[in-house]
Amino acid sequence: QVQLQESGPGLVKSSQTLSLSCTVSGASLSSGIYYWNWVRQHPGKGLEWLGSIYYSGTTSYNPSLTSRITVSLDTSKNQFSLNLSSVTAADTAVYYCAAQSLGEFFFDYWGRGTLVTVSS
Amino acid sequence: QSALTQPASVSGSPGQSITISCTGTSSDVGGHDYVSWYQQHPGKAPRLIIFDVSNRPSGVSNRFSGSKSGNTASLTISGLQAEDEADYFCTSYSTNSPYVFGAGTKVTVL
Repeated sequence: QVQLQESGPGLVKSSQTLSLSCTVSGASLSSGIYYWNWVRQHPGKGLEWLGSIYYSGTTSYNPSLTSRITVSLDTSKNQFSLNLSSVTAADTAVYYCAAQSLGEFFFDYWGRGTLVTVSS
Repeated sequence: QSALTQPASVSGSPGQSITISCTGTSSDVGGHDYVSWYQQHPGKAPRLIIFDVSNRPSGVSNRFSGSKSGNTASLTISGLQAEDEADYFCTSYSTNSPYVFGAGTKVTVL
């Protein structure tokens, strides 16, 4: 069973960079079986796909965030990370990491999510 | 404003059937057979229950079923049980995004 766990600061100051990590167990990031994704949910709103990374390092980003987002891998720790720069209150959300099987269009496994609040 | 429209809440009595709708556009729900549904209990990770419109992953109860007509996908829960009380959200592959989501529907078992 694949399990994912998000970690990182729960409070980030406006204009700074939000940094989160997702630790994966039950699967190797290097296996090539999954794409590794970040998704967020604003309070009381729908979810928003942020971006993804494949073991090769190939990334795909939501067009609305391309200038601010970076997703990276650390295969030695079996982790992948999200960096979102120049944050504002609009980036306050619950952030989820999720695994998506290669060639499929759904998310097989999710983390429980972590709330990040952007303060002024 | 979510890309996919879901009712905020749906309720039913034990044993009844309920249906949750998920309405999008021809760029997402209507244009691709890649609608998936997730169940989320409070404080828990979302769980995949339907993929590719109507397929169930191994281990998911056959009380959950999915369908699609035009730009609207639906999730039906038959034989409603107390354990089904949770939030449910849909997602679809989109020509523009590549993934769009609904805001979620809270299912209450009366």
